[in-house]
Amino acid sequence: SAVISQKPSRDICQRGTSLTIQCQVDSQVTMMFWYRQQPGQSLTLIATANQGSEATYESGFVIDKFPISRPNLTFSTLTVSNMSPEDSSIYLCSVEVAGERETQYFGPGTRLLVL
Amino acid sequence: AQKVTQAQTEISVVEKEDVTLDCVYETRDTTYYLFWYKQPPSGELVFLIRRNSFDEQNEISGRYSWNFQKSTSSFNFTITASQVVDSAVYFCALKSGGSYIPTFGRGTSLIVHP
Repeated sequence: SAVISQKPSRDICQRGTSLTIQCQVDSQVTMMFWYRQQPGQSLTLIATANQGSEATYESGFVIDKFPISRPNLTFSTLTVSNMSPEDSSIYLCSVEVAGERETQYFGPGTRLLVL
Repeated sequence: AQKVTQAQTEISVVEKEDVTLDCVYETRDTTYYLFWYKQPPSGELVFLIRRNSFDEQNEISGRYSWNFQKSTSSFNFTITASQVVDSAVYFCALKSGGSYIPTFGRGTSLIVHP
């Protein structure tokens, strides 16, 4: 498994602003992902964070709205840009660990409320 | 295409009752993986178990047990003698076809009353 931390754990933001969420893992991982979980809903994959190259976005998500960085094998950031109340969600970082390629482990999540 | 169905939206039980959470999956692949995750009110998604399609052996871990049946495409999760701390949303997930992206069910909210 892996120990994953996210910052901030929660935030309340104003419409039109941007928030950057950080994800730190305690060991090198093969893959890192960002998910969104809207209130009362299941998880939706936003993108796969690729180390040293542009992230791979899922349908319905674009880089201008959700820019992602992954400068090394243990760290990634997700920015939620030009926020609206519809962006209020839990944002979860997840990883796959070498040797456990089939299992995704999740961070504690970032609860975002946009007013 | 792959699909996971958790038909139970919410289950409410009294402490010490046994409870079973249902998960039915669909996939055309012969190699696939099934998972259960727990999401307590804090929001973190906690990995509970992974099962691959070649291993139908049921598993028990303390008060938790899992029943994997390929014949009915089900991977059900039973909590024995439930406790208030078991209150959470439980997600079943499926990964197949060489994809690194799991498909999650809609989740079942379990409420255990004291």
